Amino acid sequence: QVQLQQSGPGLVKPSQTLSLTCAISGDSVSSNSAAWNWIRQSPSRGLEWLGRTYYRSKWYNDYAVSVKSRITINPDTSKNQFSLQLNSVTPEDTAVYYCARAWRGFSWYFDLWGRGTLVTVSS
Amino acid sequence: QSVLTQPPSVSAAPGQKVTISCSGSSSNIGNNYVSWYQQLPGTAPKLLIYDNNKRPSGIPDRFSGSKSGTSATLGITGLQTGDEADYYCGTWDSSLSAGSNWVFGGGTKLTVL
Repeated sequence: QVQLQQSGPGLVKPSQTLSLTCAISGDSVSSNSAAWNWIRQSPSRGLEWLGRTYYRSKWYNDYAVSVKSRITINPDTSKNQFSLQLNSVTPEDTAVYYCARAWRGFSWYFDLWGRGTLVTVSS
Repeated sequence: QSVLTQPPSVSAAPGQKVTISCSGSSSNIGNNYVSWYQQLPGTAPKLLIYDNNKRPSGIPDRFSGSKSGTSATLGITGLQTGDEADYYCGTWDSSLSAGSNWVFGGGTKLTVL
């Protein structure tokens, strides 16, 4: 049974870096069939895809235009996990952050989600 | 303002049928497959439909999906109180100005009266 376990602080100060980790059990971050994503949800912005990392003979990353200048998603093969770093946060980055596995049929879809981490940006 | 437009709410009585629409454009639904997600209160979204009309293992056939042109529809028959949730559509959006992004609809709250 594949599971995603999220960890990271729930409170971040404005202008600092938000860092979260998603540990994978039952699958591999290096899978040639999956992509590993971060998605957030807030009342003002709804569900918002942030980006993904995936391995196809080499590592690839795709990021949402809205956060492209501030985001990094990194795989960690030694721990079978992936991480999110979002720089220069503001209160608008306050949201529930989810990690999710994307699988590809005819197209990508999110078949497995972490439980979510509420991150509040406040001094 | 979401790229994909859903009605904010729908309602129906137990046992009845309801449909939820998801309207987009040629840069998203018109040229990509759609998936649907159910979010029960206080939980993470859960995959209901993928590739427009396929159900993952464990999802009952009361749930169905379809797509026509730049719109998609989620159907739920035999409504149960446990179906009360928020429902989201999603797909890839590819535009010259913004590149490729995964986009979600704004969500539809289903109330089973």
